[in-house]
Amino acid sequence: KQEVTQIPAALSVPEGENLVLNCSFTDSAIYNLQWFRQDPGKGLTSLLLIQSSQREQTSGRLNASLDKSSGRSTLYIAASQPGDSATYLCAVKDGGYNKLIFGAGTRLAVHP
Amino acid sequence: NAGVTQTPKFQVLKTGQSMTLQCAQDMNHNSMYWYRQDPGMGLRLIYYSASEGTTDKGEVPNGYNVSRLNKREFSLRLESAAPSQTSVYFCAGQGTMTNTGELFFGEGSRLTVL
Repeated sequence: KQEVTQIPAALSVPEGENLVLNCSFTDSAIYNLQWFRQDPGKGLTSLLLIQSSQREQTSGRLNASLDKSSGRSTLYIAASQPGDSATYLCAVKDGGYNKLIFGAGTRLAVHP
Repeated sequence: NAGVTQTPKFQVLKTGQSMTLQCAQDMNHNSMYWYRQDPGMGLRLIYYSASEGTTDKGEVPNGYNVSRLNKREFSLRLESAAPSQTSVYFCAGQGTMTNTGELFFGEGSRLTVL
């Protein structure tokens, strides 16, 4: 059974820092991995999607990497801003199964 | 283009009452999903529908039923609500295997069962 773990569960940093959020999964046979952002009381917004054949994806200040063999993905946030404060979730899509398995998320607070 | 729309946004039920959460998408997604989100547990899949007319159980289907009425709509029904079903429910849509497979979520439906 696929399990997804995110470390740390919570993170508080001053503005301007570069951040790394971690996501690990137990079964490397994935179809893709997706990173989401969730603001309090809101739905999930897709940030980046990495196909199993890809190593990384970039969007603005965000960079996500994927290492299938080790069962890990990282989300790198450059020059963090208070507006980045949110919960970040990763999810893997099992190869052969049409569904995503989510981690519990990392709650990020960026203070001025 | 509204994306994925859920109704209602908030609902309070008494134990034993029934209700249906509605979800509609205008993004031509083949696959649709219902998740519940509880503190510290992430999102757990209740049911999903890979295409119109098909539905399958996810991780936590007990106490729920679903209907994929057509390609646009995927409803979640609680026949006899229990306090353990107090949660935030999210509907999502996803494209076919030939495209990126990106998932798009609705804003959520917050359900309290007393």
